[in-house]
Parts: sequence; structure tokens; C-alpha cells
Amino acid sequence: GENVEQHPSTLSVQEGDSAVIKCTYSDSASNYFPWYKQELGKGPQLIIDIRSNVGEKKDQRIAVTLNKTAKHFSLHITETQPEDSAVYFCAARRAGTALIFGKGTTLSVSS
Amino acid sequence: GAVVSQHPSRVICKSGTSVKIECRSLDFQATTMFWYRQFPKQSLMLMATSNEGSKATYEQGVEKDKFLINHASLTLSTLTVTSAHPEDSSFYICSAGRGGADTGELFFGEGSRLTVL
Repeated sequence: GENVEQHPSTLSVQEGDSAVIKCTYSDSASNYFPWYKQELGKGPQLIIDIRSNVGEKKDQRIAVTLNKTAKHFSLHITETQPEDSAVYFCAARRAGTALIFGKGTTLSVSS
Repeated sequence: GAVVSQHPSRVICKSGTSVKIECRSLDFQATTMFWYRQFPKQSLMLMATSNEGSKATYEQGVEKDKFLINHASLTLSTLTVTSAHPEDSSFYICSAGRGGADTGELFFGEGSRLTVL
């Protein structure tokens, strides 16, 4: 089955800096790679996703890149703000299967 | 976007009792729903895959007789934690995909926090 590794487990940045979180996956048939933000006591919220036919996707301050050959994908947050502080999860799946999550990254943005 | 609703959001029960959690897709039909469990400061771990009209498929290490899953309709799946014990205290989250062509995205409920005393 799919296995997703996520690094780093914690990340501290100053407000305005960029943050990068990286994930690798094992199943070459996986074709959907979402990123979730989870605040305490709440369900995960989708912030951006990418499919295997695309190498990069951007939405304002957030971007995701995908390298299918290396089987890794990354989340990039620019101009970080204190409200970006949360736990971020990457995940991967292929059609008909469940999402498999990485272990999460706790991002702290200090002002 | 599609909406998945979970109920209850919080439940406290005594050890030995059973608790039922509902997961509903409000504006779409979900052939398949997935149940996850999340312990504090950990990731979401897949428990089982729930298919409408058939038996659920459980992940290794998840007791099917303890975590009963019923997916009787295309909009409702239920998870019943039977004879709950304190170690079952966790955050339970369901997700669902649209029926028909699988576009990849799964939609998550708000989660149900179970505390077993």
C-alpha cells in the first residue's frame, strides 16, 4: 500500500519568511496529492491539491510542486503570517482508495 | 464544494457503553466513505473503508467487531464503537468521495471527539 513520509515535523519561521514542507510517497500509481491545514479540535481543511498530470500549482501565497519521477511533492508558503500557524498534512491516493496521510508538520509563525 | 456532516461533534461516555457516530454526505452521493482515527498530536490513520451496501474493509490492527461500520445508503455511514474503553478516546473523522468518476478529492467531516471515562 501507499506510504507517505513528511518532513520536517516542526517548522518555525518569522513572519514574512517562506516555509517549505516536503513529502515523499511510495505508490507510483498515486495520482492525487492534497495538502491540509488542521487547527486544534477541527477536521482537516483542504488548502491546495495537485494531480499527477501537473507539475506545479499556485494559489496566492501557497504553491505545490510535484516530481513524479522522484515521487515527492512540496508545499510552499510565501510571506507567512501568524494565522498560518497550524498543523499541515500532506496526503496521497489513487482512484478508488483512501487518502494516506503524512505524519504532519507543526508550523509556527512568530511576529 | 461538497459537504460532509458528522454527528455528534463531541461525545462523552462511560466505559463499557457503545457510541454511534454518523457521517452524512449532504449534497452528493457517496459510494465509498472512509473512517479515520486521530490521537492527540498524531496523524490521521485510516481505520476502514465503507462501501454502500457491502461489508466494510478494515485496516490491519482495527477490530471489526469493536468498530462496527454500516453504510446502508449513499448518503449515510455510521461508525459504532462497541464496549468503549478509555483507550478508544480519540478524534474520529469520516471522508467521502463523489459517486461516479473519481476526481481524486475527498471531502471531510468536522470530526467527532470521543472521550471514554
